[in-house]
Amino acid sequence: EPEVTQTPSHQVTQMGQEVILRCVPISNHLYFYWYRQILGQKVEFLVSFYNNEISEKSEIFDDQFSVERPDGSNFTLKIRSTKLEDSAMYFCASTRARGETQYFGPGTRLLVL
Amino acid sequence: GEDVEQSLFLSVREGDSSVINCTYTDSSSTYLYWYKQEPGAGLQLLTYIFSNMDMKQDQRLTVLLNKKDKHLSLRIADTQTGDSAIYFCAESEGNTPLVFGKGTRLSVIA
Repeated sequence: EPEVTQTPSHQVTQMGQEVILRCVPISNHLYFYWYRQILGQKVEFLVSFYNNEISEKSEIFDDQFSVERPDGSNFTLKIRSTKLEDSAMYFCASTRARGETQYFGPGTRLLVL
Repeated sequence: GEDVEQSLFLSVREGDSSVINCTYTDSSSTYLYWYKQEPGAGLQLLTYIFSNMDMKQDQRLTVLLNKKDKHLSLRIADTQTGDSAIYFCAESEGNTPLVFGKGTRLSVIA
């Protein structure tokens, strides 16, 4: 069964450093999402992406964040200058069409020291 | 804004049924989902229901939707130790991002 994959599974970084989280969505999916889950809290929407542009973003997704689909398979989330409060589990999700079920990857656990 | 609420903990004995409850505020919700998260793992889609349905059954899982009260429940029959996990309720209007609850931690006692 096709699945969403994410790399790395864990990342530790120093405050102020840039990180890039990678996702490979399911191959025939067209809509891509990033969510995050701070430890013990709700899963929160960050951004959605379609047709090579952001279609919706939340208040959390400020200028420190960016997303890109650099090739036909990868979907990345970049955090330019990480802060302590960026420590969280970051989930990528994809869906074939708008309104269809979102399938999630296993997540990347980011720890900012 | 939209909100989804769940009780945080549930403990059941192996073999019993588990019922996890969820309430939501968005009357435009079209899809309601249950995701399972095992320790250190990602979000696994368990099942979902459209807002025009009252019930959906899938093997040991039964989802009940009371649209009037905006109440969703997930019943797991014959609960096993492998069912121990955090269960997230989530809703969407169909073309909007998912809004999640905080998750219910299910502990199954052998």
